[in-house]
Amino acid sequence: KQEVTQIPAALSVPEGENLVLNCSFTDSAIYNLQWFRQDPGKGLTSLLLIQSSQREQTSGRLNASLDKSSGRSTLYIAASQPGDSATYLCAVTPGRDDKIIFGKGTRLHILP
Amino acid sequence: DTAVSQTPKYLVTQMGNDKSIKCEQNLGHDTMYWYKQDSKKFLKIMFSYNNKELIINETVPNRFSPKSPDKAHLNLHINSLELGDSAVYFCASSHTGRGGVNEQFFGPGTRLTVL
Repeated sequence: KQEVTQIPAALSVPEGENLVLNCSFTDSAIYNLQWFRQDPGKGLTSLLLIQSSQREQTSGRLNASLDKSSGRSTLYIAASQPGDSATYLCAVTPGRDDKIIFGKGTRLHILP
Repeated sequence: DTAVSQTPKYLVTQMGNDKSIKCEQNLGHDTMYWYKQDSKKFLKIMFSYNNKELIINETVPNRFSPKSPDKAHLNLHINSLELGDSAVYFCASSHTGRGGVNEQFFGPGTRLTVL
């Protein structure tokens, strides 16, 4: 049974610092992995999707990596800003037409 | 141009009532989903429909009945609401057919409160 774990559950860092959020999954047979952002009381915004054949994806200050064999993904945020404060969710899709399995998220707070 | 929309955004109702939540996507996707986010903020799949056919049905009470009139709509009807049904319900859609990568796009959520 696939399980997704995110550590830490919460993180506070000063503005301007680079930071890494971690995600691990128990079954390396995945179709893709997605990182989402959720602001309080709001929906989910897709940040990056990495297909199983890829090792990383970049969008602006965000870089996500995928190591399927070790069951790990990281989300790197460069030069953090207060507007980056949100909950970041990692999710894996086991098969092409399959549901997403979510981690419990990392609640990030960027200190001005 | 809202990609995935849900109505209503908030729903407050009494225990025992029947209510519906509607979802529409204008992305041309072939698959739609309902997820539930509980009070601890954990998101879990409830149902998914591909081309109007049910393909995933997690262990959800049969008081919950999804209906997909067409590929762009997936509604959720809940009978005999219970206190434990209070949660935020998210609709999502993706393209899983040929050429699709199953990147899921989420609606803004419906916050259901059962009194």
